[in-house]
Amino acid sequence: GAVVSQHPSRVICKSGTSVKIECRSLDFQATTMFWYRQFPKQSLMLMATSNEGSKATYEQGVEKDKFLINHASLTLSTLTVTSAHPEDSSFYICSARDRGPTYEQYFGPGTRLTVT
Amino acid sequence: AQKITQTQPGMFVQEKEAVTLDCTYDTSDQSYGLFWYKQPSSGEMIFLIYQGSYDEQNATEGRYSLNFQKARKSANLVISASQLGDSAMYFCAILSGGYNKLIFGAGTRLAVHP
Repeated sequence: GAVVSQHPSRVICKSGTSVKIECRSLDFQATTMFWYRQFPKQSLMLMATSNEGSKATYEQGVEKDKFLINHASLTLSTLTVTSAHPEDSSFYICSARDRGPTYEQYFGPGTRLTVT
Repeated sequence: AQKITQTQPGMFVQEKEAVTLDCTYDTSDQSYGLFWYKQPSSGEMIFLIYQGSYDEQNATEGRYSLNFQKARKSANLVISASQLGDSAMYFCAILSGGYNKLIFGAGTRLAVHP
């Protein structure tokens, strides 16, 4: 099956610093990748859709200047949380879409961000 | 707009019994897809089963089956012969709007008791 990796799996950073999270599709090419945020005991909320070679499309209420997304290749998308604050602490999950008949999205294992 | 409703915040079942997790959806699209994912405490999202809106047969994948009732906009997940390892959060999701976005429900936490 298709595999998506995320790095790092956990990160702790100080308030005001920036953190970069990588999402890679390991055995398939993903023209579209998605970034989700999940707060404790809540569902996944789509933050943005990332298409290779073009600007990301952000969901309403998501600050594009705070959450920078780059999808430079067919196998790599990055999410940078700029000037992180404690309220940005969350579980960030990426997914990559296969072009199969079900349009299934393959999820990465997630990154737990803690901002102190 | 698309919406998924999961009305059961928590469910429990005895090991080896079957359990049904409810999911209703709302969409104005004629073509859409419905997914169920399992999220254990580790956080990874595990794909369980998919149902296309034009599929006439209910989807099945091993111990998982999807009870698809299109007129009622219902897509319940049935897990047969529950195992302790089935204890997790379960999310129903809809893919529509040109197959561009996956919208998740609030989830149901399933606890399997020995």
